[in-house]
Amino acid sequence: LAKTTQPISMDSYEGQEVNITCSHNNIATNDYITWYQQFPSQGPRFIIQGYKTKVTNEVASLFIPADRKSSTLSLPRVSLSDTAVYYCLSPVAGNQFYFGTGTSLTVIP
Amino acid sequence: ETGVTQSPTHLIKTRGQQVTLRCSSQSGHNTVSWYQQALGQGPQFIFQYYREEENGRGNFPPRFSGLQFPNYSSELNVNALELDDSALYLCASSISGTVTGELFFGEGSRLTVL
Repeated sequence: LAKTTQPISMDSYEGQEVNITCSHNNIATNDYITWYQQFPSQGPRFIIQGYKTKVTNEVASLFIPADRKSSTLSLPRVSLSDTAVYYCLSPVAGNQFYFGTGTSLTVIP
Repeated sequence: ETGVTQSPTHLIKTRGQQVTLRCSSQSGHNTVSWYQQALGQGPQFIFQYYREEENGRGNFPPRFSGLQFPNYSSELNVNALELDDSALYLCASSISGTVTGELFFGEGSRLTVL
């Protein structure tokens, strides 16, 4: 089972860039790296996914080094509404995923 | 496009009772996964259904069972409820066979066992 490790919590001021790093040492060759966001009492929501190098969408960027043993989610200029739990996911098999405890991000005014 | 819907949103049961939770998949999705999320924890994978059959199971006892129907909707049944079953139960739909396997979650059913 390819488990993930990420910081339990992070604080950031509004307007700053936030980088959350996830370790996934046992990721399989064909597995994608996926990040989800979850607000209290809501289901997780897909943010971004990548296989290698860098991926960017309208919400975030994802940096994956060549060895793929880690990944970094980058949130540019965070706002209060970005306060949430962020999960780095590791596939168990196909589209069955292991969620760790996630990183609780608090954005401070 | 209709998203994933779950019912009921909240319910209260007592120990030993049975509960059925329901999930309607997003249009075009043929796979349903169920997750249990205890307070302060990440979602834990219960099982997945594809073509009306269980297609993978996490570390949950047999009293957790499920069904998937021809229209891809699904049910999660939990028998002999225990206090520790109190949690948010999340349903996620996806399309099997895709490389990325993105999950689309519902808002969850909050179960309280007294």
